[in-house]
Amino acid sequence: AQTVTQSQPEMSVQEAETVTLSCTYDTSENNYYLFWYKQPPSRQMILVIRQEAYKQQNATENRFSVNFQKAAKSFSLKISDSQLGDTAMYFCAFMTSIQGGSEKLVFGKGTKLTVNP
Amino acid sequence: AAGVIQSPRHLIKEKRETATLKCYPIPRHDTVYWYQQGPGQDPQFLISFYEKMQSDKGSIPDRFSAQQFSDYHSELNMSSLELGDSALYFCASSLGELNEQFFGPGTRLTVL
Repeated sequence: AQTVTQSQPEMSVQEAETVTLSCTYDTSENNYYLFWYKQPPSRQMILVIRQEAYKQQNATENRFSVNFQKAAKSFSLKISDSQLGDTAMYFCAFMTSIQGGSEKLVFGKGTKLTVNP
Repeated sequence: AAGVIQSPRHLIKEKRETATLKCYPIPRHDTVYWYQQGPGQDPQFLISFYEKMQSDKGSIPDRFSAQQFSDYHSELNMSSLELGDSALYFCASSLGELNEQFFGPGTRLTVL
């Protein structure tokens, strides 16, 4: 079974600075998807960024980028120019890409990020 | 753009009562997932449907059942409610399996 580990329960960063959230995962599959979801106080689950394991290039979405190290099974999220609105719980998630397999999302325990003014 | 709709948004029930949660996926999406998020916890997968057939099942209690209807909306039925069922229940939808899942706003269930 796949597992996702987020070793940082809480982090804080000053507004406009850069912060990196860590995520490691365990799987025997070669092809899969990785995601970062943001959950602000409203509790809405918002997709931040997505990475396909077969792609070597790291995904980027505006101020958000990932460092995907497949061999190390590591998938960290970097937030540049942090904004107050980035304050939220961030979940790392794994999904298989095997057709007919379990397409459920497996989440880590989350990292609570606070951006300070 | 249309999003996933969940109703009701809030629900309060007594122990041993029954609850029905509804999910309306994004138009044209044929796959629905249900997740349960307890207080301070990560979302846990309950069950999923693809083209009205159950496609995967997680740690869903036997007291819970779900189905997807011909219009692709889904309902999660919960019976003999327990205090521990108090949680935020998310529905997500996708176009086919193995595609991005879009989450609804969730239904907050409180069991007293």
